[in-house]
Amino acid sequence: QSALTQPPSASGSPGQSVTISCTGTSSDVGGYNYVSWYQQHPGKAPKLMIYEVSKRPSGVPDRFSGSKSGNTASLTVSGLQAEDEADYYCSSYAGSNNLGVFGTGTKVTVL
Amino acid sequence: QITLKESGPTLVKPTQTLTLTCTFSGFSLSTSGVGVGWIRQPPGKALEWLALIYWDDDKRYSPSLKSRLTITKDTSKNQVVLTMTNMDPVDTATYYCAAGWGVATHDYWGQGTLVTVSS
Repeated sequence: QSALTQPPSASGSPGQSVTISCTGTSSDVGGYNYVSWYQQHPGKAPKLMIYEVSKRPSGVPDRFSGSKSGNTASLTVSGLQAEDEADYYCSSYAGSNNLGVFGTGTKVTVL
Repeated sequence: QITLKESGPTLVKPTQTLTLTCTFSGFSLSTSGVGVGWIRQPPGKALEWLALIYWDDDKRYSPSLKSRLTITKDTSKNQVVLTMTNMDPVDTATYYCAAGWGVATHDYWGQGTLVTVSS
């Protein structure tokens, strides 16, 4: 299966909001409510930020929110902070015979 | 506290077989619903699913790499092992293991191990 499509970069000033899109197909993003988002700082392992489209694991600030419309999922980071500067990857379930698929990744810069 | 740690060679030669071990603590792979997977990331590139094994020994593989991969578990040792045959320089990447309880979601990740394929 093909990788989900994300914009290569996104940016915002401290306190502003940034939204990252994740576009797939009806066989993955559009077909299931199993989209996850991961944050990855340089040299570090990914960290789960959102699961099942819009749920936050314990400890993840409510500044992070997720949504989905059709074949496109989105991650919004509100009230940007310096520590939010990182790479973000979406991931989606792609059916019972598949592992799932990751997105191409988006680098978020806090200006 | 849940932790995972990858171990294995840092350098392998082309055509060799890579064996990586994920040793975890804080949960049991015999608990219903849990899965442990392997994900890799070439330098400067995106994440890529490789394989996943569930508590009931159900296994999933990347379609493009399925012929080269084998994933197994040893519940008594709290370990998951990934073997990848016929290694090539394009397989140079950081290899992560990760555990999760949701669908296609991994809640906890190891620190990763960089594997370089070079003669």
